[in-house]
Amino acid sequence: KQEVTQIPAALSVPEGENLVLNCSFTDSAIYNLQWFRQDPGKGLTSLLLIQSSQREQTSGRLNASLDKSSGRSTLYIAASQPGDSATYLCAATGRRALTFGSGTRLQVQP
Amino acid sequence: EAGVTQFPSHSVIEKGQTVTLRCDPISGHDNLYWYRRVMGKEIKFLLHFVKESKQDESGMPNNRFLAERTGGTYSTLKVQPAELEDSGVYFCASSQERGRNRAFFGQGTRLTVV
Repeated sequence: KQEVTQIPAALSVPEGENLVLNCSFTDSAIYNLQWFRQDPGKGLTSLLLIQSSQREQTSGRLNASLDKSSGRSTLYIAASQPGDSATYLCAATGRRALTFGSGTRLQVQP
Repeated sequence: EAGVTQFPSHSVIEKGQTVTLRCDPISGHDNLYWYRRVMGKEIKFLLHFVKESKQDESGMPNNRFLAERTGGTYSTLKVQPAELEDSGVYFCASSQERGRNRAFFGQGTRLTVV
């Protein structure tokens, strides 16, 4: 049974800092690893998807890496902005659909 | 291109009543998924449709939950009778192919049972 863990649960940083969110998963038999963003009262916005054969994906100030052998993924956010404040979720796609972590609640202070 | 659409966005019902949630996936997406997040917990898988067929319903909590996907288009999730512990946010997602493709999520339906 796949289990996904995210650390830290919450993070508060001043604007401009670079930060790393961590995600670990127990079953390496995944199709891909997705990072989502959720704003309060809103749905899930897909940020990055890393296929199991890939090592990383980049979109703007976001970079996600995947190490299947160690069961880890990281989301790197460069030069954080107040608009980045949200909950970030990682999800591992297996045979049974997505297994989500509990999320990291990020607050970027202006 | 329209995204995944869910109705209603919010629903407040009394314990024992029936509620039906609806999901319209992205046109052409054969795969449709239901997930839910109850208070303080992770988002959990409920079930998966491929077109009109239930591919996997192992995440459905009990027989008070019934999901259908008529004609392989939109899907409904009915809760009957609703209990207090059913409160949470119900998400629908769709994808073109199972597994490797990106899953697109709707905005969710926030269900409150009082």
